[in-house]
This record gives sequence, C-alpha cells and structure tokens, in this order.
Amino acid sequence: GAVVSQHPSWVICKSGTSVKIECRSLDFQATTMFWYRQFPKQSLMLMATSNEGSKATYEQGVEKDKFLINHASLTLSTLTVTSAHPEDSSFYICSALGRGAWGNQPQHFGDGTRLSIL
Amino acid sequence: SQKIEQNSEALNIQEGKTATLTCNYTNYSPAYLQWYRQDPGRGPVFLLLIRENEKEKRKERLKVTFDTTLKQSLFHITASQPADSATYLCALAGANNLFFGTGTRLTVIP
Repeated sequence: GAVVSQHPSWVICKSGTSVKIECRSLDFQATTMFWYRQFPKQSLMLMATSNEGSKATYEQGVEKDKFLINHASLTLSTLTVTSAHPEDSSFYICSALGRGAWGNQPQHFGDGTRLSIL
Repeated sequence: SQKIEQNSEALNIQEGKTATLTCNYTNYSPAYLQWYRQDPGRGPVFLLLIRENEKEKRKERLKVTFDTTLKQSLFHITASQPADSATYLCALAGANNLFFGTGTRLTVIP
C-alpha cells in the first residue's frame, strides 16, 4: 500500500529556532499534500494544502510566514516552523493524495512529528 | 459552513459486542465519506470509503452506512476486540475538499 514517511518523529528545540519537517511519499506520486496540526484529544486541524510546483493554500488564521510550506517534487513536501515559540508546540501530521478527486481515494498519513519548543 | 459531529467523544463497550459510531453532518452534501482509525501518537490510517450512491460498505468486521437523507453515517465494528480501541474519525469529502470530524475514542473492555 501507499506509504508516507514523515521525519523527524519528534524534535525538541529552543525558542527562536526554525524547525523543518519532511513528508515523503515513498511509492506513489503525491500531487497534493496536506499539513495538519493536532492538539491533545482534539481532531485534525488543517493548516495548508500544497500542490506540487505551486504555492500552498493556507487556512484562515494560519500565518504563512510562520509556517513555510514547500512542495518541490511529487514525492516531497516540507513544513518549516520559523522562529518557533512554545505556543507552536504541537503534533504536526502530513498526508498525501495521488491524482484524482480528493474524496474518491484514501488520504495517506505520515506518523506525525511531535514538536516541543522550550 | 459545514459541521460534522461524531456522536460522542468517548465510547466504552464490552469485548465481543458491536460498536456503533455515528457521524452526522450539516450544511454540506459530500460525494464521499471516509473513516479513519488513529492510535495515540500516530497518524490516522484509512479504513473505508463510501460514495453517496452507496448505502453500505463492508470490510471484514467493519461496516459503514451512508444515509444522505438523514445526513448521517454509521460505522460498525462487530465482534469487537481490545485491539480495536482507538480514536475513529469520519471525513466528508468532495472533489477537492475534505473535512474531518472531531473523532470518537473507542475503548473495548476485555
């Protein structure tokens, strides 16, 4: 089956540093990738949608200068949390879709990145 | 805007019984409805997809129904096992949008 690899699985860093999270589709071409944020015992909150080769579409309230998304190839998208602060600590999850209607295919999720900012 | 409600935040059932989870929605007419399982600290895993013209879908011990008149989907796990304990998410989707519910945390008690 389709596999999405997300790296790193957890990261702890000091306030003010930037953190990059990678999301790779290992065995299929991901034309669309999503980035979610999840707080404890809450559902997924969509942050942004990215299509290969174009700028990401951010959800309302998500700072695009804070959360930089790059989808440079059909197998890789990255999320960079710039100048991270403790309030950015969360569980970040990516997912990927192949070509076709979004709803007519499964979303393939990575295993998430636990980000802790000290 | 669309609203998705999953019947309860948490559901406890006895091993061997059938677990039934509910997903209700308003202000939206999805062409597809999906169910996912999420374990703590992991990403969601796809379980089943049902289309608006399908009433029911089965996969092993899982069964999903989709009632577009009631705007509701039911997710059943028969002969439940402790290993089925997880959070289950429903997702409504169209051609280029996808919305997740808040999830139901299922605990199967041995």
